Amino acid sequence: DGGITQSPKYLFRKEGQNVTLSCEQNLNHDAMYWYRQDPGQGLRLIYYSQIVNDFQKGDIAEGYSVSREKKESFPLTVTSAQKNPTAFYLCAGCSGRDQETQYFGPGTRLLVL
Amino acid sequence: AQSVTQLDSHVSVSEGTPVLLRCNYSSSYSPSLFWYVQHPNKGLQLLLKYTSAATLVKGINGFEAEFKKSETSFHLTKPSAHMSDAAEYFCVVSDSGGGADGLTFGKGTHLIIQP
Repeated sequence: DGGITQSPKYLFRKEGQNVTLSCEQNLNHDAMYWYRQDPGQGLRLIYYSQIVNDFQKGDIAEGYSVSREKKESFPLTVTSAQKNPTAFYLCAGCSGRDQETQYFGPGTRLLVL
Repeated sequence: AQSVTQLDSHVSVSEGTPVLLRCNYSSSYSPSLFWYVQHPNKGLQLLLKYTSAATLVKGINGFEAEFKKSETSFHLTKPSAHMSDAAEYFCVVSDSGGGADGLTFGKGTHLIIQP
């Protein structure tokens, strides 16, 4: 999985609740990304971060928030403002001279109760 | 602007027969192109990458892809399918030379292997 770990594997959210998905990496990746995957739609970029304490919105950032306080960690919070959070969430990283090739974690499946 | 089209949402082949997964792209620049594979409930694994060196790229697990600029295609092939190849395959294009927002993912092709 390119040195990227995600937890939990499955996560259940109640209405109105914020939940946080963990993404940790041990390969010194400079840049990290969060994607959302829905059936038949490929991957869509939520947020990305290229350095510590800085991050940028992707195509579908509404209802999500992130932080990058440490290089190794890039957690994603799914807020209550995200009305359709059920999806498979993938974290990825890349580093060094090759800023295009991304390596993915195993994913977290978020379900709404 | 860049885009990528995977021409088949599902492909079914018999074990031991060739595999062809089709991908067409559009890009304003000289693109980098990737194929990733995803097994059920898993992350994406890089199969191979084209970056303007050799047009025929060899990847892992016997897969290869050929970059054809005149046809704007980057089709993925394998001479003989194995049951373990059953998965979702994504074609990805990057023309930004780097940066997270430079990647565009296709919608995926589901490869089914018949015994």
